[in-house]
Amino acid sequence: NAGVTQTPKFQVLKTGQSMTLQCAQDMNHEYMSWYRQDPGMGLRLIHYSVGAGITDQGEVPNGYNVSRSTTEDFPLRLLSAAPSQTSVYFCASSEGTVYGYTFGSGTRLTVV
Amino acid sequence: GNSVTQMEGPVTLSEEAFLTINCTYTATGYPSLFWYVQYPGEGLQLLLKATKADDKGSNKGFEATYRKETTSFHLEKGSVQVSDSAVYFCALRHSGSARQLTFGSGTQLTVLP
Repeated sequence: NAGVTQTPKFQVLKTGQSMTLQCAQDMNHEYMSWYRQDPGMGLRLIHYSVGAGITDQGEVPNGYNVSRSTTEDFPLRLLSAAPSQTSVYFCASSEGTVYGYTFGSGTRLTVV
Repeated sequence: GNSVTQMEGPVTLSEEAFLTINCTYTATGYPSLFWYVQYPGEGLQLLLKATKADDKGSNKGFEATYRKETTSFHLEKGSVQVSDSAVYFCALRHSGSARQLTFGSGTQLTVLP
């Protein structure tokens, strides 16, 4: 049982480049989320999904897109990378609203 | 809206000392409350949770009690070990909402031998 798998683990982008952070879970969880973690700011919600085909914006959605075509996968797209998007990104999934989330190991992104 | 306020760190303790990390929250209704732990270079792991008032979550010697009257969920451990050194996050999730976790800013704990 792999849990939540994120790829890549590390990435360096140039300003203006685009890329997709991959996230997959094998627990058949309906809820999935993307967070970014910045020093002194805890984790902030970027986008989330309550099931295949359903997504919504979180606290800091600008500059990011998501889609959820299957229950398992929830990729995060950076449209045009900016230095302000340098962060550690975590994907997470959950079985239901009263349960905690299972987190992936993160993607450390640097935009130069 | 929902918010979580955590005790600011960093916290440095000697091995076998008593640990308290304070957490208070603001939310409507009856949220579920969580403590997560993040070891260096890793993702967040669920440490414990409580889903209703007066519930006590416990795991690996850590405990926290859901106190609705004081809107608190303080994390405690009677005797910390060096291996407990990590960042601890308090979080809430409203049971009636599709919204996600709201996190505190995290508390860095360092335990010295």
